[in-house]
Amino acid sequence: SQQGEEDPQALSIQEGENATMNCSYKTSINNLQWYRQNSGRGLVHLILIRSNEREKHSGRLRVTLDTSKKSSSLLITASRAADTASYFCATDDNTGGFKTIFGAGTRLFVKA
Amino acid sequence: GAGVSQSPSNKVTEKGKDVELRCDPISGHTALYWYRQSLGQGLEFLIYFQGNSAPDKSGLPSDRFSAERTGGSVSTLTIQRTQQEDSAVYLCASSWRTESNQPQHFGDGTRLSIL
Repeated sequence: SQQGEEDPQALSIQEGENATMNCSYKTSINNLQWYRQNSGRGLVHLILIRSNEREKHSGRLRVTLDTSKKSSSLLITASRAADTASYFCATDDNTGGFKTIFGAGTRLFVKA
Repeated sequence: GAGVSQSPSNKVTEKGKDVELRCDPISGHTALYWYRQSLGQGLEFLIYFQGNSAPDKSGLPSDRFSAERTGGSVSTLTIQRTQQEDSAVYLCASSWRTESNQPQHFGDGTRLSIL
């Protein structure tokens, strides 16, 4: 079963605006990761937040985690056309194994 | 240093043929993952390898799918008697070890098309 689900499925914004993507998951986790995928390429790791953390920053990225609501958000500030990509959240499956379960992704389009 | 390398980048084959997809992980990475991504979709876990431990094959969709990792490095994913529903991008990733807090480094995938 799918662990992480992103919302919205697609997002179109103007350059300079902020983009917010949300991820919900079903079971308890040890950590949550966000990845980015440009068209035709593999995924690139952006940021990892542990279950005991509530917020984390990396450059123009801000990630929050609410374990009580089983949700996370990724905020990209001052977006650029180069931020156009798909963004995926990923969680461990918390069954004692080490699978990483990816959501279906949010497709972000930033218009110049 | 070199990233994860996958070959071929594209593969077109007829239904019923066998295909082999190759992954060269980052040197020193002990964990290796295979995923399948259908058009516009997320990643579907297939299999992972960690060092010399038995691989977790729980994501393989049928017995037509198998994977090997020789010498703890290069991995080959084999699909026998391919079907049209096998058409997808197959992504390989590696990490320092199989722990849930290790970022995975991805190759650019093999785009498989079954005619």
